[in-house]
Amino acid sequence: SAVISQKPSRDICQRGTSLTIQCQVDSQVTMMFWYRQQPGQSLTLIATANQGSEATYESGFVIDKFPISRPNLTFSTLTVSNMSPEDSSIYLCSVGGTAQETQYFGPGTRLLVL
Amino acid sequence: AQKVTQAQTEISVVEKEDVTLDCVYETRDTTYYLFWYKQPPSGELVFLIRRNSFDEQNEISGRYSWNFQKSTSSFNFTITASQVVDSAVYFCALSEARWGGTGANNLFFGTGTRLTVIP
Repeated sequence: SAVISQKPSRDICQRGTSLTIQCQVDSQVTMMFWYRQQPGQSLTLIATANQGSEATYESGFVIDKFPISRPNLTFSTLTVSNMSPEDSSIYLCSVGGTAQETQYFGPGTRLLVL
Repeated sequence: AQKVTQAQTEISVVEKEDVTLDCVYETRDTTYYLFWYKQPPSGELVFLIRRNSFDEQNEISGRYSWNFQKSTSSFNFTITASQVVDSAVYFCALSEARWGGTGANNLFFGTGTRLTVIP
């Protein structure tokens, strides 16, 4: 399985600011995914990021709020823009491929917005 | 539409007891994949098992076992002789192929079951 790291591991931010979360994988992967886990809740997919193309966003998530970059096959960033307390969550990146492949997750970024 | 239901929100057991975590799923696909993940208090999501829809054999891995029954759309997870280190939130998830089976997968998660093992 791939080894996935995320930076920062946690952060406390002020309302109205933006935070960029980095996801690094130790091997080349086609697809990377970004999830949000609100406090006490399950995981919700934000978007799928393929290298060389625009990210595909799920219903309820928009590029202006969560811009994503995927500059190469081992790296991706998710920015949480113009944050509000409702954005306080754990943000996780994962890697996988087709449906039969297991998705492996990074350690997550715990975000608290004051 | 796909859906994963984990009806048990929280379970507490005393150490060394056996515990079963329930998972019921809905899907219209004939080919799909089921997963269990463990999320300890540290927050990372740890992969436990993957099962495809054509393989209904039960699986045992140490103290963990999984019972997959297509007839009842269930994929239950049993921990035998529970230990304090088993305390975590456990998620069941479903993956369906998109775009004719060649596209990206998308994991649909249940709401999780928080297991507390009391010493």
